[in-house]
Amino acid sequence: GENVEQHPSTLSVQEGDSAVIKCTYSDSASNYFPWYKQELGKGPQLIIDIRSNVGEKKDQRIAVTLNKTAKHFSLHITETQPEDSAVYFCAVSFGNEKLTFGTGTRLTIIP
Amino acid sequence: GAVVSQHPSWVICKSGTSVKIECRSLDFQATTMFWYRQFPKQSLMLMATSNEGSKATYEQGVEKDKFLINHASLTLSTLTVTSAHPEDSSFYICSARGGGEGEKLFFGSGTQLSVL
Repeated sequence: GENVEQHPSTLSVQEGDSAVIKCTYSDSASNYFPWYKQELGKGPQLIIDIRSNVGEKKDQRIAVTLNKTAKHFSLHITETQPEDSAVYFCAVSFGNEKLTFGTGTRLTIIP
Repeated sequence: GAVVSQHPSWVICKSGTSVKIECRSLDFQATTMFWYRQFPKQSLMLMATSNEGSKATYEQGVEKDKFLINHASLTLSTLTVTSAHPEDSSFYICSARGGGEGEKLFFGSGTQLSVL
């Protein structure tokens, strides 16, 4: 089955700086790569996703890059703000099959 | 994005009782719903996949008779934890896919279950 590794497990960033979280996956057939943000006591919220036919996608301060050859993708958050503090999960799937989640990254923005 | 409503947000029950959690897709028809379990500071663990009108598909190691899933309509799925015990205490989260959003999966707000 699919195996997803996520790094780092914790990340502290000064407010205004950028944060980068990386995930690697094992199944080259996987073609859908979403990122979720989870705040304490809440369900995950989809913040951005990318499909395998695209190398990069951006939505305001958030971007995701995908390297299919190396089988890794990254979440980039620029101009970080205190409200960006949360746990971030990457996930991988093939089409409409079940998502396999990474282990999560606890991001802390230092004011 | 699509909205998934989950209730209750938290529940405390006595050992041996059953608890039902509801998951509704509010503005779309969910062809598939998923139920996850999450322990503190850990990732999401898929419990089962349910399609409307058919039996749920459970992940390996998940007891079908303990965690009953019903997906009777395109907007409602329920998870019933039967004869709950303290080890069933956890954060349960539902998610739904559909509404023309392709592979996108939208999550409910989760239910914190505490079994005394």
